[in-house]
Amino acid sequence: GENVEQHPSTLSVQEGDSAVIKCTYSDSASNYFPWYKQELGKGPQLIIDIRSNVGEKKDQRIAVTLNKTAKHFSLHITETQPEDSAVYFCAASGGSQGNLIFGKGTKLSVKP
Amino acid sequence: DAGVIQSPRHEVTEMGQEVTLRCKPISGHNSLFWYRQTMMRGLELLIYFNNNVPIDDSGMPEDRFSAKMPNASFSTLKIQPSEPRDSAVYFCASSFSAENYGYTFGSGTRLTVV
Repeated sequence: GENVEQHPSTLSVQEGDSAVIKCTYSDSASNYFPWYKQELGKGPQLIIDIRSNVGEKKDQRIAVTLNKTAKHFSLHITETQPEDSAVYFCAASGGSQGNLIFGKGTKLSVKP
Repeated sequence: DAGVIQSPRHEVTEMGQEVTLRCKPISGHNSLFWYRQTMMRGLELLIYFNNNVPIDDSGMPEDRFSAKMPNASFSTLKIQPSEPRDSAVYFCASSFSAENYGYTFGSGTRLTVV
């Protein structure tokens, strides 16, 4: 079945710097890759997603890139702000397993 | 839409007691998922339903756990009897489809078994 690995597990940046979180997946049939942000005491919230027919997608300060050949995708946050501090999860679906498979999460801390 | 609604938000119970967690998915969503989140294991899929039918329950820890979806607008996750190691945050999520669509998560139920 699908396996999603996420790195790093923790990331600390200064306000204004960029943050990059990387994920790899194992099932070449996977074709949908969402990213979730989880704030303390809340459920994960979808922030951006990308499908396999697209290599990059942007939404204001966040962007996601996908390399199907290498089976990895990344989340890029530019001009980080303290409110970006949260746990971020990547996920993949559409392969043999069907449902979304989540990475273990990255705790991002943005220091003012 | 009010989103995915879970109740209760917090539950504290004694070991051996029955616990029932409730979920109302977003209207029109056909898939419903129950997840458990702990520091050690992260987000674990317990079970999911398509059109009210259980599709994959391989993540249910043991027979003490059971889930039902009697109709498109309601699901329950029951633990009987509860044990301290069941303490976790339990999330319900719903989606148009199990794959190729994002899931909308509820706010979760924090369960503490003492």
